[in-house]
Amino acid sequence: QSVLTQPPSVSGAPGQRVTISCTGTTSNIGAGYDVHWYQHVPGTAPKLLIFGNINRPSGVPDRFSGSQSGTSASLVITGLRAEDEGHYYCQSQDISLSRHVVFGGGTKLTVL
Amino acid sequence: EVQLVESGGGLVQPGRSLTLSCEGFAFAFDDHAMHWVRQRPGEGLQWVSGISWNSKSIGYADSVRGRFIVSRDNAKKSLYLQMNNLRPEDTAFYYCARDDTGGGSGGWYYFDSWGLGTLVTVSS
Repeated sequence: QSVLTQPPSVSGAPGQRVTISCTGTTSNIGAGYDVHWYQHVPGTAPKLLIFGNINRPSGVPDRFSGSQSGTSASLVITGLRAEDEGHYYCQSQDISLSRHVVFGGGTKLTVL
Repeated sequence: EVQLVESGGGLVQPGRSLTLSCEGFAFAFDDHAMHWVRQRPGEGLQWVSGISWNSKSIGYADSVRGRFIVSRDNAKKSLYLQMNNLRPEDTAFYYCARDDTGGGSGGWYYFDSWGLGTLVTVSS
């Protein structure tokens, strides 16, 4: 069981919008620790999509956006494309775990 | 282009030891904290260990504390993970990841570069 909770799977048709939630507690997201998001396609290196809740690294399309409120965060992908298919993970820190890194369980995105 | 290259994975018997290495290319290695993250078969990403730029701050997940030792050699731009008393549940792909920060008193932050991983299989 992961410290951060994500839905196991989401899906959408090309061009549609999907939202992936990441639910934490007052020990991690709710304690003010930032949330970061990664995309992982099997066989490749995980890729940073969003850092500091809302920021996109250079090269990440603006179809990807992040938000955070209270003990939860969300990743929104608009204009779904086939190449968006893969696994998505949120990450933060947890004060009850000596501020160590915690990941969500991951969400598999299927583009129909 | 920033690159991280892991090596050292393989098949090992339960109870034995194995050391993983990660070499960094095209960036100032000693400016960054570094981490090991693993992915067990069929599971998600799990943070294993982190080390600050100057090796003064080190952290381990509960599942490996007391068995794994992380270290780094900034002159060689390399990160290491010595894994002792290995268990079947340590079977996983192990990824090396670069922290955006140096990892001092501010703690860890996010991972802006990752390697392709190296597979460790613990089985008799």
